[in-house]
Amino acid sequence: DAGITQSPRHKVTETGTPVTLRCHQTENHRYMYWYRQDPGHGLRLIHYSYGVKDTDKGEVSDGYSVSRSKTEDFLLTLESATSSQTSVYFCAISSGTENTEAFFGQGTRLTVV
Amino acid sequence: GENVEQHPSTLSVQEGDSAVIKCTYSDSASNYFPWYKQELGKRPQLIIDIRSNVGEKKDQRIAVTLNKTAKHFSLHITETQPEDSAVYFCAASVYGNNRLAFGKGNQVVVIP
Repeated sequence: DAGITQSPRHKVTETGTPVTLRCHQTENHRYMYWYRQDPGHGLRLIHYSYGVKDTDKGEVSDGYSVSRSKTEDFLLTLESATSSQTSVYFCAISSGTENTEAFFGQGTRLTVV
Repeated sequence: GENVEQHPSTLSVQEGDSAVIKCTYSDSASNYFPWYKQELGKRPQLIIDIRSNVGEKKDQRIAVTLNKTAKHFSLHITETQPEDSAVYFCAASVYGNNRLAFGKGNQVVVIP
């Protein structure tokens, strides 16, 4: 398995609180992604990064922000969690050399109550 | 952006039979088409991929075919086994942007 670790693996939080999910890689891959997975919706891209301090929005970015201060870490922040953000969040990495395989982390199950 | 659709949403097959999942995509500039398998409670993992300069690719019991004119690609699993039971996602990516657009997934159930 590619060296990619998500933390925490599970989290329960209250509506209105900030939450940060961490993705850490040891592969030195250029691209990092945050997806959310919900029943009936598949995998939807939230944000992605194509380098340190270089990020861009995906299709469901509202309510989320990201930061990438070093190659190995990509943080996803929910500024004020809502129940609609209850989901399974997957981080993925890709070397980015002409559309190559994306490796996924083990996922974080987030519940907002 | 790219829109990827998968059909059918659920597929049940008898062990030993073949399973076929079809995906359509919208952006004619897409040139990379991977398939991911996700077992219950696990992460998605790549099982096979194809690029637009190839019409078909095989890897043991799985194969992927691509029809660029019709903008669809299909996953074929032959001699299905119980361990093939999973959710399968197709995806597409446009040349140069390294962003995968995923379909909603197909639940494949192999009946022993």
